[in-house]
This record gives sequence, C-alpha cells and structure tokens, in this order.
Amino acid sequence: KQEVTQIPAALSVPEGENLVLNCSFTDSAIYNLQWFRQDPGKGLTSLLLIQSSQREQTSGRLNASLDKSSGRSTLYIAASQPGDSATYLCAVDGQNFVFGPGTRLSVLP
Amino acid sequence: GAVVSQHPSWVICKSGTSVKIECRSLDFQATTMFWYRQFPKQSLMLMATSNEGSKATYEQGVEKDKFLINHASLTLSTLTVTSAHPEDSSFYICSARVASLNTGELFFGEGSRLTVL
Repeated sequence: KQEVTQIPAALSVPEGENLVLNCSFTDSAIYNLQWFRQDPGKGLTSLLLIQSSQREQTSGRLNASLDKSSGRSTLYIAASQPGDSATYLCAVDGQNFVFGPGTRLSVLP
Repeated sequence: GAVVSQHPSWVICKSGTSVKIECRSLDFQATTMFWYRQFPKQSLMLMATSNEGSKATYEQGVEKDKFLINHASLTLSTLTVTSAHPEDSSFYICSARVASLNTGELFFGEGSRLTVL
C-alpha cells in the first residue's frame, strides 16, 4: 500500500527566503507525481506534474524534482512571497492516487 | 489548465435530509471523475471513482448507499449524501483527468463544504 509523507508539517519563513518542501513515498511504481496548492476552504490548484520518466519540472519560481528510485520529491520555492502562504500537497499516481498530509506554509511580510 | 466546477460551494442542511453536489468538467470531457472528502487540517481521502455510464467504484469503508454517485454524462458527476447526519459534515472535492492530454494530470473543483445541523 502506497504511503506518502511530507516534511515539514508546517513552515514559517520571512518573505524573500528560498525554501524546500519534501515529499516521500514508499512504492516507486508510479506514473507521475503532482504538487498542489490549497488555500483555506478552497479546492486544489495544480502546480507541477512530473512524469515518472522525468527528473524535474519548473514553473516560474517553483521547481519540483523527482527521484523515483529513492521515493522522494522536493518542491523548491524561490524568493518566497506572502501570497505563497497555503498548504502544499504532493500526490503520487500509481495503483491509486495517494495524497500526502501536506505542508502548511506561512510567509511573513 | 482544464476547469472543473463544483456546485454548491457550501450547503447547510438539517439532519436526515439528502444533499446533492455536482461536479462538472467545463471545457473537456471526463470519462472518469474522483470524489474526495477532507476533514479540517487533514489531507484528502479518496471516496470513490465515478465512471461515465457505469457504477462507481467505492473505496473500502465508504458506504455506497450513503454516498450515491451518478455519472450520467461525460461532463457531469453528482454525489448525493443521503440521510445526512452531523458526522457527514465535511469538505467534498471532485477531480477529473483530461484524457486527451495523456499526462495523467488531475484537475480539481473548488470544493463543496457541507454542514449538517
């Protein structure tokens, strides 16, 4: 059974810092990994999708990497802004689509 | 990206009544949609996979007669919470894939918050 964990559970940083969110999964037989953002009381916004054959994807200030063999993915956020404050969820698509518990990010002005 | 819309975004009902939540793919066809439930400060839990023209596939522990799913067209899936009770209060979210993209990327609706009094 696929298990997905995310570290840290919560993170508070001053504006402008670069930061890294971590996602780990136990079963490396995946099709892809997706990072989402969720604002309080809202649905999920897709940030980046990494296919199993890819090692990283970039979108603006976001960069996500995937090491399938070690069961890890990282989301790098450059020059963080208060508007980045949200919960970030990773999800792996394998036999089932499984979400991690999320990292609650607060970027302080 | 593709747009998935949910309605209503929030609903309050009395215990014992039934509530229907709609999930629509606005600019693409979705043969498969997914329904999730999210409790406060917790991650999403898959409830069921909705298949157009056939019965939904429910996850273990999800009551089929409690949570009725209908996927009558390629752009609409509905979740009906029957005889709702306060413990059914939660945030319900649907998602869908764009088959033509062939990437497996999931797109989510805005969610529907159900409060049962």
